[in-house]
Amino acid sequence: SSDLTQDPAVSVALGQTVRITCQGDSLRSYYASWYQQKPGQAPVVVMYGRNKRPSGIPDRFSTFRSGYTASLTITGAQAEDEADYYCSSRASSGNHWVFGGGTKVTVL
Amino acid sequence: QVQLQQWGAGLLKPSETLSLTCAVAGGSFSGFYWTWIRQPPGKGLVLIGEINHSGRTNYNPTFMSRVTMSIDTSKNLLSLELSSVTAADAGVYYCARGLVVVADFYFDSWGQGTLVTVSS
Repeated sequence: SSDLTQDPAVSVALGQTVRITCQGDSLRSYYASWYQQKPGQAPVVVMYGRNKRPSGIPDRFSTFRSGYTASLTITGAQAEDEADYYCSSRASSGNHWVFGGGTKVTVL
Repeated sequence: QVQLQQWGAGLLKPSETLSLTCAVAGGSFSGFYWTWIRQPPGKGLVLIGEINHSGRTNYNPTFMSRVTMSIDTSKNLLSLELSSVTAADAGVYYCARGLVVVADFYFDSWGQGTLVTVSS
């Protein structure tokens, strides 16, 4: 079984809000980081820690953590937000880092 | 702005050893975790392992018996070797820098990726 579980796919209408979730035991103790990956490109970090955004990432991205679940919200989704999104945190069974299976976001 | 540029053999035969190198430009090795991450075709990201500036390694148990990571701080190079490859080892391999900010950890810089194919 995977340490971090994500829904495989989600769709959102242009300009609407979408939430992507990530579940795992380690999320009670560690914040997740979130990565956006477009086809043929390396992942890019979009959020980390307690709702922290790297320089250059639009403020329509935000995160929240509750219990064993971390979530990434895109408020007012744009066409360029269509991508795969991965969460990452500590493995529940060890001291290395793991990724969720990824969520494909389609902007309609 | 740190940049990671990676290279290595992209076509291997089963049982051969995968060997990749990642050059780090514009940044120091100190204070960071240096990692290798792979992505099988059409699938998600998997951390292979991490190494710090002093050479201390921490491998994903899945790869423990086959992986060797090393760094050369004098040349700003990071290396990965994965022995006895099979078709299951095919995919895109990335080097990435892991950054700790207070208690938060994330991968802030990535190489461009190297596509590895395993075929007889």
